[in-house]
Parts: sequence; structure tokens; C-alpha cells
Amino acid sequence: DVKVTQSSRYLVKRTGEKVFLECVQDMDHENMFWYRQDPGLGLRLIYFSYDVKMKEKGDIPEGYSVSREKKERFSLILESASTNQTSMYLCASSLWAGNEQFFGPGTRLTVL
Amino acid sequence: AQSVTQPDIHITVSEGASLELRCNYSYGATPYLFWYVQSPGQGLQLLLKYFSGDTLVQGIKGFEAEFKRSQSSFNLRKPSVHWSDAAEYFCAVGPTTFTGGGNKLTFGTGTQLKVEL
Repeated sequence: DVKVTQSSRYLVKRTGEKVFLECVQDMDHENMFWYRQDPGLGLRLIYFSYDVKMKEKGDIPEGYSVSREKKERFSLILESASTNQTSMYLCASSLWAGNEQFFGPGTRLTVL
Repeated sequence: AQSVTQPDIHITVSEGASLELRCNYSYGATPYLFWYVQSPGQGLQLLLKYFSGDTLVQGIKGFEAEFKRSQSSFNLRKPSVHWSDAAEYFCAVGPTTFTGGGNKLTFGTGTQLKVEL
């Protein structure tokens, strides 16, 4: 089975801190994704990566950056956390275009 | 651009009753279609998917969905709901052609299912 793991289930940070969210997948998938999930808004794509060191902006990239130095790892970075970035963050991976995405358990981030 | 509409934000059904969750999509051709389920505090789990062929697809946990091209719909059904089915359900549409930037699924905003005992 594909396994996608995220570094933390719950995280509390202060405004202005730099925050790193880590995601690791174990199935050699080409594509990896970061979403945020908010009530009533569903899943919104922040960034995705289709290869090592390759990234593309999603629908809401402002305030975020990403890093993919190794195929199995995709990091989401909040350069200066703000309270409006309090949310559930979900990481996903997939093998090829159009295929299903496999999700991690999510990180619930609270920015105070 | 592809889009997905789940018109029901909340649905409440009694345990043992049948269930249908609606999903409509907009896409230039026949897309790949998915239903995911999310239990509280968890990530999303794939219930079923449609790529081609038989328009009635079976999934896990007794769920099925029917692709209707003429209605641009992919509704999720279950004949008898169990209390453990209470969760949030997401429909998603994916491109069938490689667009050069990886595949991107577009998700609906979700339907929250409550099951009354």
C-alpha cells in the first residue's frame, strides 16, 4: 500500500515564525501536492511538484513556498506565518497524470 | 477549466436508509472521476474511481457510483447506510490528457453526511 506521511498531526506556531511542513511518500510517485482545507471551501491546491526540483503554483500559493530536493519528500514552507494560515494541511502523491491521489493524515496548524 | 459541484453541503439519513450524494462536473471531454471519504481528523481515502468502460463502478465499503455523460454527473450511492459512514465526502475530476504540469485533480467542496441511529 502507498503510504504518505506528514511530519506532525498538530502544530502550534506564533505569528511571524517560519514553519516547515514535511511530507514523505514511499511509492516512488512522480507527483506530489500540498492542499489546505477549510470548512466550506473544500480542498484548495497550494503547490504541486511533478518531478524533483520542479514545482508549479496551485490556486492559492501566496504566503507559501515549497521544496522538493528528493523524489520522496515534498516540503511546504510558510516564510512568516500569519493567523489566516491556520488550517488543515494535506499532502498527497500520485503516480501519473489522471491517476488517483493518495493522501497523508493531515497537519492541523494553528498560528497564534 | 474543469470544475466540480457538490450541491448538498449537509445530508442527514437514518441508519439503514439508502444514500445518494450528488456530483456534477464541467470538463471538455470525459474526465477521470473520483469519490473520496474523509473521517474526522483524517486524510482522504479513495472510495472509487471511473476511468472508462462500465459506467457503474463499485468501490469499497459497499459504495457505488454511476457516470452519466448526458448529465455530466457522477453520483455516489449506497443501498443501506451504516452509522460508521458518517463522514465528509468529496467528488473530484481529473484530466485525461497530460497537460505538461502534472495531473491536477479538482475537488468539490464536499458533502457532510450525518447518520441518525
